[in-house]
Order: sequence, then C-alpha cells, then structure tokens
Amino acid sequence: EDKVVQSPLSLVVHEGDTVTLNCSYEVTNFRSLLWYKQEKKAPTFLFMLTSSGIEKKSGRLSSILDKKELSSILNITATQTGDSAIYLCAVETSGGSQGNLIFGKGTKLSVKP
Amino acid sequence: DTGVSQDPRHKITKRGQNVTFRCDPISEHNRLYWYRQTLGQGPEFLTYFQNEAQLEKSRLLSDRFSAERPKGSFSTLEIQRTEQGDSAMYLCASSLVNRGRDTEAFFGQGTRLTVV
Repeated sequence: EDKVVQSPLSLVVHEGDTVTLNCSYEVTNFRSLLWYKQEKKAPTFLFMLTSSGIEKKSGRLSSILDKKELSSILNITATQTGDSAIYLCAVETSGGSQGNLIFGKGTKLSVKP
Repeated sequence: DTGVSQDPRHKITKRGQNVTFRCDPISEHNRLYWYRQTLGQGPEFLTYFQNEAQLEKSRLLSDRFSAERPKGSFSTLEIQRTEQGDSAMYLCASSLVNRGRDTEAFFGQGTRLTVV
C-alpha cells in the first residue's frame, strides 16, 4: 500500500533557529512530491519536486528530493513565529490509490518568540 | 477565478441529521478530491473525481457518505445520519491532470462540521 511518513510529528523551536522536516515515501509509480503549509484553514502550496537533487527555494524555505532514498527534506532557516503551522508532504503517483495523491500526517511546527 | 470555494464554512448539526457540503473547483480543473481532517492530523482521503466520474472511494468511508459531481464541475458531499465522530474539517481540492499541463492540488478553505 502506498504511504507517506513525515517526521517529526511535532517540533518546538525558538525564533531564529533552523529546522529540517523530513518526508519519506513508499509508492508505486512516483510522479512528484509536494509540500504544503497549513495554518488555520486550507493547506497552501509551497513546492513541487520531481527531479532528484535539485533544490527549490523560496525565501527562507528550501526543499530537495532524493529519489534514491525515497525522501525529501524541507528546511526553514531563521524561523519566525509566522512559520508556526502544520507542514504537509504529499506524493503524487500515476495509477495508484487515494486519487494518486497521498498525504503524510504532517509535522506541527511551533516557533516560540 | 478566485480558487476553490467551499460552502458552508461552518456547520453545526444534531446527531442523526443529514448534511450536504458543496465544492466549486477551479474552473479548468478536471480532478476533484474530498478529504477529512481532524485536529493535528494530515488530510485523510475520502474520494476523488476525474471530470464527472467518481474513480475511487476510501475503504474507510462508510455507506453514510456519498459524493457526486454530476456535470464535472461542482461537487457535493452528503453525510447521512451524522454521528459525533463525523465532526471534522472537510476539505476539497482540485487539480488539472493533463499530459504536460499537470498542476498541483489547490485546496478550498474547508467546511468545519460539528455534530452535537
């Protein structure tokens, strides 16, 4: 069965810290890996990764995919309280289950002032 | 187009009542998903449509849940004889899946259901 596992499930840091969130997957027919940020309501899209080893960057956030290790990391540098959210990892497949979009349980990040 | 729209945003209902939620996807998107999310958890897949066809339904979904997308545009999710365990946020997402033009899934703001 296709699955996506995120770690840690929760994390508490102080402003200015750097954090690394992990996502590993076991799926058939991988197409892409997506990261979303969810604050109070709808998840908002951060990154889509399809190629191994190519870092995607947006401000203080960056992410990279390792297809050999079947994993991805999301880095946040110089964290701010506004980064507090649940970070969701999802894997898109071709012809798989769950509508071809499988989510992990998320990592809840809390950034303390 | 302002994105995926869900209605209502909040719903409080008594146990045993039926409820129906609506989702309007981004207009050109052919794929529409329904998820359920409880506090502190990731979205749990319920069902999805490709155009008007319902292609998959989670085995965790009881017969009290039904979804439709009659014309391949908006979708409805109905829960019959609601139970307190149905209390959750119900999220809808849409995407375009087409060779060379795939997009990521865009989410609506969700409908928060409280069953009392």
